[in-house]
Amino acid sequence: EAGVAQSPRYKIIEKRQSVAFWCNPISGHATLYWYQQILGQGPKLLIQFQNNGVVDDSQLPKDRFSAERLKGVDSTLKIQPAKLEDSAVYLCASSTAGGINTGELFFGEGSRLTVL
Amino acid sequence: AQSVTQLGSHVSVSEGALVLLRCNYSSSVPPYLFWYVQYPNQGLQLLLKYTTGATLVKGINGFEAEFKKSETSFHLTKPSAHMSDAAEYFCAVSDSGAGNMLTFGGGTRLMVKP
Repeated sequence: EAGVAQSPRYKIIEKRQSVAFWCNPISGHATLYWYQQILGQGPKLLIQFQNNGVVDDSQLPKDRFSAERLKGVDSTLKIQPAKLEDSAVYLCASSTAGGINTGELFFGEGSRLTVL
Repeated sequence: AQSVTQLGSHVSVSEGALVLLRCNYSSSVPPYLFWYVQYPNQGLQLLLKYTTGATLVKGINGFEAEFKKSETSFHLTKPSAHMSDAAEYFCAVSDSGAGNMLTFGGGTRLMVKP
């Protein structure tokens, strides 16, 4: 079974530029998450989708971050304009409907963003 | 609101020694508790979880954890460390209701000395 796919793995940009990350979840997983992991910290949830609807985006900085999951499958996370403090690894995860309640999330390898 | 505290951002043990990684949580409702492991340049992988039932749970690679409600703890242990256990370990909590998100602790990096 293929895992969660993310791209690009690494991205270096200058502040005020824009960047987009892509995620393809495990086939059949209805729930998709984007987490931000700053160096030395645990992952922090940015947004959670159930199919193509947003379940929770309370911690998404909406002035610069946006995310979509148009067909309920893959998803894109965009940052525009980027700030230095956005340097982090962006993790995508997916789960089955039951996984929501049991915490069994499957994570991709992450996209590491460096903002200069 | 939920929170997770992992005592010790770095833990170093000798190969063959006991591994003990500490996790304390706060939750206003009965929690679901998890340990995830992250190897270098890889995504997080579920190690074990407690939802209901037996408070001592066993996971992959010989790890286990015990839910102690009175101490609000969910410490991770392994009797004998292997070099391959070197990784970062994250404790996480979610409410036992439907659709609730995971809240992660800050992580503990485990180093295993030969």
